[in-house]
Order: sequence, then structure tokens, then C-alpha cells
Amino acid sequence: GENVEQHPSTLSVQEGDSAVIKCTYSDSASNYFPWYKQELGKRPQLIIDIRSNVGEKKDQRIAVTLNKTAKHFSLHITETQPEDSAVYFCAASIRNRDDKIIFGKGTRLHILP
Amino acid sequence: GAVVSQHPSRVICKSGTSVKIECRSLDFQATTMFWYRQFPKQSLMLMATSNEGSKATYEQGVEKDKFLINHASLTLSTLTVTSAHPEDSSFYICSAREEGTGQGYTFGSGTRLTVV
Repeated sequence: GENVEQHPSTLSVQEGDSAVIKCTYSDSASNYFPWYKQELGKRPQLIIDIRSNVGEKKDQRIAVTLNKTAKHFSLHITETQPEDSAVYFCAASIRNRDDKIIFGKGTRLHILP
Repeated sequence: GAVVSQHPSRVICKSGTSVKIECRSLDFQATTMFWYRQFPKQSLMLMATSNEGSKATYEQGVEKDKFLINHASLTLSTLTVTSAHPEDSSFYICSAREEGTGQGYTFGSGTRLTVV
């Protein structure tokens, strides 16, 4: 089955700087890659997603890139703010097959004042 | 947008008892519901996939007789933790995808289960 690896597990970034989180996946059939932000005790919140027919997607300060050949995808947060502090999960799914989302282990992002 | 209502949000039960967790899709039909478990400071681990009107598909290592899943209607899926033990204490969360809309996945608000 699908396996999603995520790095780093913890990331500390000075406020205003950029943060990058990287993930790899194992199943070349995966075609949907969402990123979630989760605060303690809350449900995951979708922050951005990308489909396999697109190499890059941007939404304000957040961007995601996908390299299908290498089976890598990354989350980029620019101009980080204190409210960006949270746990971020990458995930992979095979839409229109089993649809289940497999999560990476998560990255705890700390934005330093 | 699509909403999944999950209840209860918190439950404390004694060892050996059973607990039922409900997830309802409020404004869409959830033909498929995914059930996850999340231990503290860990990731969401998929337990099983339930499809309306059929048996759930369990992930490897998840005991189907312990974690009973029912998806009797297009708007309701339940997870029952039977004969709960302290090691079953965890955050359980459901997720649904609205069929045919191309939308993403909608998560319930989660259930914090503590077995004492």
C-alpha cells in the first residue's frame, strides 16, 4: 500500500522567513496530494491540495510543488506569521480508486518571534 | 460547505465497556467514510473504510471484531469500540468525501476516548 514519508518532524522558523516541508510517496498511482494543518485537539484543516496533472499551485503565502517522476511534493510557506505555528500533515490519495488518504507523520512548525 | 458532525466529542468509559461514535454528513451524501485513529503527537492512522450498505474494509492490523463499523445510510456511519481497554484511548476522527463533486475530504471534529 501507499507509504508517505514527511520531513522534517520539527521545524523552527523566524517570523517572516519561509518554511519548507517535504514529502515523498511510494505508490505511483497516487493522484491527489492534500496538505493539512492541525491544531491541538482539533480536526485537520485543508490548506492546499494538488492533483497529479499539475506541477505547482499557489494560494497567497502557501504553495505546493509536485514532482511525479521523483514522487516528491513539498509545501512552501512564505512570510511566516505566529498563527502558522501548528502541525502540518502531507497526504496522498488515489482518487476514483480507493480514495483513502494516507498521511505523513507530520511536521511541528514553530514560528519564532 | 460540506459538514460532518461527529459525536461525542469526548467520552470516558470503563475498561470492558463499549463506546459508539457517530459521524453524520449534514448536507451531502457520504457514500464512503474513512475512520482514523490518532495517538498523542502522532499522525492520523487509517483504520478502515466504510461504504454505505456494504462491509467495511479494514487496514492491516486493525481488529474488525473490536472496531465495529456500520454505514447503514448515506448520511450516517458509526464506529463502535467494543470491550475497550486503556490502550484504545485515542483521538478518533472520521472523514468523508462527497461523491461526484470533485470536492476534497471533510473531517469530523473528532472524539477523544479515554478508557479508565
